[in-house]
Amino acid sequence: DTEVTQTPKHLVMGMTNKKSLKCEQHMGHRAMYWYKQKAKKPPELMFVYSYEKLSINESVPSRFSPECPNSSLLNLHLHALQPEDSALYLCASSRQGAKYEQYFGPGTRLTVT
Amino acid sequence: GIQVEQSPPDLILQEGANSTLRCNFSDSVNNLQWFHQNPWGQLINLFYIPSGTKQNGRLSATTVATERYSLLYISSSQTTDSGVYFCAVDPSRDDKIIFGKGTRLHILP
Repeated sequence: DTEVTQTPKHLVMGMTNKKSLKCEQHMGHRAMYWYKQKAKKPPELMFVYSYEKLSINESVPSRFSPECPNSSLLNLHLHALQPEDSALYLCASSRQGAKYEQYFGPGTRLTVT
Repeated sequence: GIQVEQSPPDLILQEGANSTLRCNFSDSVNNLQWFHQNPWGQLINLFYIPSGTKQNGRLSATTVATERYSLLYISSSQTTDSGVYFCAVDPSRDDKIIFGKGTRLHILP
């Protein structure tokens, strides 16, 4: 099973809302990733968790707050977002790091109004 | 940092045609992956191919690591092959992969 699941599939939120995106994998992978993708662009890395510890933050604004409660789950907490944060948010996992194959979830399409 | 260039940027083909997509990278890499992003946004793994040649049905890929390029071949294209094809490399300097800008493929029925 090489499945990464993400919920919700779609999310519309106002600029004052707080919401969370969820990602789950049951492949025993120890590295998990959040990416942001704008239309007609490649995915852009936001955060990397390795063995449940944050190892890379690509200078992401603090209105995005990642959390890795256990080795199977990854959350992205959203607060006070801007309309330009509207994008497809992708979660991925790999066995132990970037040199291993990455598997992506279906994404959450976020619209900030 | 490493540069990853994909060509062509856009490709329109008739159903049944064959195509070759190219990915050039400017430095040595630990791995290289090819993905297909379908119109719904799902990134589908095609190949994990740091070197050598692999085949999967109508698709095959070759990576020549010493010359820093990879090729993705699609034969007998179908409309379901439409979408964006990305290559992504791990330059082994830190724990992340770098994507190319993609090749947008449109297969006409």
